Amino acid sequence: GQQLNQSPQSMFIQEGEDVSMNCTSSSIFNTWLWYKQEPGEGPVLLIALYKAGELTSNGRLTAQFGITRKDSFLNISASIPSDVGIYFCAGRPLRGADGLTFGKGTHLIIQP
Amino acid sequence: DTEVTQTPKHLVMGMTNKKSLKCEQHMGHRAMYWYKQKAKKPPELMFVYSYEKLSINESVPSRFSPECPNSSLLNLHLHALQPEDSALYLCASSLNIQETQYFGPGTRLLVL
Repeated sequence: GQQLNQSPQSMFIQEGEDVSMNCTSSSIFNTWLWYKQEPGEGPVLLIALYKAGELTSNGRLTAQFGITRKDSFLNISASIPSDVGIYFCAGRPLRGADGLTFGKGTHLIIQP
Repeated sequence: DTEVTQTPKHLVMGMTNKKSLKCEQHMGHRAMYWYKQKAKKPPELMFVYSYEKLSINESVPSRFSPECPNSSLLNLHLHALQPEDSALYLCASSLNIQETQYFGPGTRLLVL
């Protein structure tokens, strides 16, 4: 099936630093989504991207749908303690099943 | 109402028990999903319902039996589960199969 390569697997950063993570695929995706999940909770949608080249912001978060339609990145500026969690990219391939394909997640840990 | 609700939040069951997980949304979404998530792993798609009809069954064992009584409700019936079925079970919904999915908080299941 489809696979998404998400990196980095984990990040240990200081409060106030900027964060960048990305996902790549070997095939074309027509939707890219970024979710954040905290322990014991379901994933919460952060940003949804629907068009190649699209750049979307949500507060301190910015995400882009790559021009090749095979990648996406998520940036978090000026990180704060409540940013801690696991960030998942997810996408819907151009040709594939109707469920989402998820990356393995980026575990963000912030040191005050 | 802009959320997906799931009950119960936690469930402990023996291998001979029969139990059900429930999911509800009142956003008018016509696609609903069950995912299984093990610790520190991404969600894995189990079932997709579109307009109350089972659209996808990702080769899930028959001890998991989904049901969609109406467009707002989704159940997952559990019978004769194994300890390795212990996981967080997530429900999601979307306007239709092509649209962005929104997740519920999950049911934490422990099989003894």
